[in-house]
Amino acid sequence: DTGVSQNPRHKITKRGQNVTFRCDPISEHNRLYWYRQTLGQGPEFLTYFQNEAQLEKSRLLSDRFSAERPKGSFSTLEIQRTEQGDSAMYLCASSLSQVVWTEAFFGQGTRLTVV
Amino acid sequence: AQRVTQPEKLLSVFKGAPVELKCNYSYSGSPELFWYVQYSRQRLQLLLRHISRESIKGFTADLNKGETSFHLKKPFAQEEDSAMYYCALAPSQGGSEKLVFGKGTKLTVNP
Repeated sequence: DTGVSQNPRHKITKRGQNVTFRCDPISEHNRLYWYRQTLGQGPEFLTYFQNEAQLEKSRLLSDRFSAERPKGSFSTLEIQRTEQGDSAMYLCASSLSQVVWTEAFFGQGTRLTVV
Repeated sequence: AQRVTQPEKLLSVFKGAPVELKCNYSYSGSPELFWYVQYSRQRLQLLLRHISRESIKGFTADLNKGETSFHLKKPFAQEEDSAMYYCALAPSQGGSEKLVFGKGTKLTVNP
């Protein structure tokens, strides 16, 4: 499968623990996005990178959340001191930035459950 | 503020019947509108975008700027169309810097 890959697929953690998710985009894609999806809602934008630069962050991304894309390839999303409200599906997407619009391809997501 | 509203959480039709999934948006500029689909146990994928004016899997959607709507239509629904459908808006021209999604409509096509 040469699409966007996310690991792990599922994560159960105790409240207060830190968790880290990984996203491997499609190899030639220079844009990478993180979204969060809670039950009954559509995906909500968290942040995006163009190459290694983090260009935009949503207000949803509290100071407990940090995302990196150190070499402009894979990205990690870390949540510190998890809370039950962080339970959600975390989606990653990637696209190729060009003058004309290009599609964003989504991964299958990481489902986080905070107990 | 950018907002996408999908008024129907659930929609159920019989095979062969026409289907329309409603989407209204709120945006002050010229948005790009999309429909994404998620089949059971699969990832979210693009179905169609307004700018291409394509028909994908028999689905079409017309952007109505006067009514700020982008409803998805198919004249004859098939069982394999059963899925979750999300309408989405991109605030910028020419790139999906971020997408604003509606809450989604679950379409069930009954035999």
